[in-house]
Amino acid sequence: AQKITQTQPGMFVQEKEAVTLDCTYDTSDQSYGLFWYKQPSSGEMIFLIYQGSYDEQNATEGRYSLNFQKARKSANLVISASQLGDSAMYFCAMRVQTYKYIFGTGTRLKVLA
Amino acid sequence: SAVISQKPSRDICQRGTSLTIQCQVDSQVTMMFWYRQQPGQSLTLIATANQGSEATYESGFVIDKFPISRPNLTFSTLTVSNMSPEDSSIYLCSARYRVGFEDTQYFGPGTRLTVL
Repeated sequence: AQKITQTQPGMFVQEKEAVTLDCTYDTSDQSYGLFWYKQPSSGEMIFLIYQGSYDEQNATEGRYSLNFQKARKSANLVISASQLGDSAMYFCAMRVQTYKYIFGTGTRLKVLA
Repeated sequence: SAVISQKPSRDICQRGTSLTIQCQVDSQVTMMFWYRQQPGQSLTLIATANQGSEATYESGFVIDKFPISRPNLTFSTLTVSNMSPEDSSIYLCSARYRVGFEDTQYFGPGTRLTVL
């Protein structure tokens, strides 16, 4: 079965600290993509970062990095130097069957001043 | 990144009525998608909107309830028909973009629907 699991329903982090949001996945496909999206209270889904299954380097985009551990089937998102504007829901997703996405249940992050 | 717009951004509707949501993308794309996000839940794919052919629906979603149009490569509509309070959700459209070796879905801002 293909599945994304996010075990942290909610997280708190102090402003300017780093935080790691967990994501594990299950697939028998050799080729897949892993994504993180941010959903503020406004409801839009904002693409943050992508990791391909064949990429050997961890993806980075500004303050976001993806800690990809293929053997453990994990794709954790690391946000460095947290800002108040980072408070939102964060969804991990996996692309399967070349175009379909499976989403996790999300983690609500609250950044404290 | 892609620019995707949706109209309306929100609406409050009476049960038994229908609402059509429009999605416009800033460049031609082969694949567009419609998702539903029920309150406090994750995203569920309703259907894939294909230009020039019928939409492909996921298990649990039917064309009579969620008819979709895709008249060209930059536009799609989703209609929520004969609405009930259980249809209250955020409806999101997305488009598949290929950027270099990356193959990413970008989302519109969503339509927040409340059915009374």
